[in-house]
Amino acid sequence: QSALTQPASVSGSPGQSITISCTGTSSDIGNYNLISWYQHHPGKAPKLLIYEVRKRPSGISNRFSGSKSGNTASLTISGLQAEDEADYYCCSYADSSPVVFGGGTRLIVL
Amino acid sequence: EFQLMESGGGLVQPGRSLRLSCAASGFTFDDYAMHWVRQAPGKGLEWVSGISWNSNNIAYADSVKGRFTISRDNAKNSLYLQMNSLRPEDTALYYCARDPSTGAGPFDYWGQGTLVTVSS
Repeated sequence: QSALTQPASVSGSPGQSITISCTGTSSDIGNYNLISWYQHHPGKAPKLLIYEVRKRPSGISNRFSGSKSGNTASLTISGLQAEDEADYYCCSYADSSPVVFGGGTRLIVL
Repeated sequence: EFQLMESGGGLVQPGRSLRLSCAASGFTFDDYAMHWVRQAPGKGLEWVSGISWNSNNIAYADSVKGRFTISRDNAKNSLYLQMNSLRPEDTALYYCARDPSTGAGPFDYWGQGTLVTVSS
């Protein structure tokens, strides 16, 4: 049950767009569309941002978007805001386990 | 409003047991699969275990298989995690999370977590 690979950190200035990648294998991301993304502010409950690769739950800003190509999923945040500074996690269904998370990416808003 | 409230965490010695609970309110509990996800200090999220709405399908991460047991009581709107043979590496904040799908996520609502510390 190896974790999906995410960059440790990304940064951007307010108003810019950033993309966080999440790389897996043909046993998880590459073969399934059960990919979700979560935002986690320390001390708070994680929040679902994206599910099934690109769908947004009710109430989630359209500044958050998801995509997938091959074994890599991506989360794009446009129009960066200070409150977007948080940890972001990808998650996928996997052959070896129902669920596997990425290692997490710290987003720094400059 | 939906609410998930975990309880039962605490300080426990290696090799001992602990039982976590998650009380659900504000939604029809037995419409949903449920999961436990943990976060060790300074680390990322790690899926621990999941259970279908009717308890017919249960899965565990390799790291806890054989030591942890997930269960639910739909009449009490509650989810449980029995943790036996605890190890220092089980030290983490344990979240319960709701799954509106078939048991492989996504997790659309999470509790605030309960802290488990395994140390002598």
